[in-house]
Amino acid sequence: DAKTTQPNSMESNEEEPVHLPCNHSTISGTDYIHWYRQLPSQGPEYVIHGLTSNVNNRMASLAIAEDRKSSTLILHRATLRDAAVYYCILSALYRGSGYALNFGKGTSLLVTP
Amino acid sequence: EAQVTQNPRYLITVTGKKLTVTCSQNMNHEYMSWYRQDPGLGLRQIYYSMNVEVTDKGDVPEGYKVSRKEKRNFPLILESPSPNQTSLYFCASSPNRDTAYGYTFGSGTRLTVV
Repeated sequence: DAKTTQPNSMESNEEEPVHLPCNHSTISGTDYIHWYRQLPSQGPEYVIHGLTSNVNNRMASLAIAEDRKSSTLILHRATLRDAAVYYCILSALYRGSGYALNFGKGTSLLVTP
Repeated sequence: EAQVTQNPRYLITVTGKKLTVTCSQNMNHEYMSWYRQDPGLGLRQIYYSMNVEVTDKGDVPEGYKVSRKEKRNFPLILESPSPNQTSLYFCASSPNRDTAYGYTFGSGTRLTVV
């Protein structure tokens, strides 16, 4: 399975942009890049995903490198509610009939006032 | 509101006493799955289902059973719980198995087996 590498933790000031990096040098051509976040005591929450092109939604933007070996999740204005563990995940196939999200350790984002 | 609902949120039980954790989604999703989350091990998939009556094992299926008799429900059954099944459990659903879609997760069930 293709693996992702993320920093263990990052810190940001409130109302500033946050760039969360993810390396995935062994990504395959059909892997989607997913980002989820998990707030304390809650289930993982879908943030954004993409294949090749940059993506934007109401929560964040996803910038994907041209060679797809890395990506960056961008939170345009961090709020205290954005403090969470952020997971960068590549979709994985199970025996060609199902798939699992391979959650790693993620990046713990601390947002300070 | 589109959601995945798990019950109960918290459960303490004794070794060997059968239990069921329920999961229901209101989004007409075909794909559902169960994960467990343990410190230092992250989230690992237990079982998944691609549609009604279609289920398969994930990474850590030992000691668990599932069923998918209706599209909206995907209960997790522990026939004889043991202390090593003490964990935080999450149910998730997705429109289908296509990796182009994101998952919606439930709020979790914290299970303690003593």
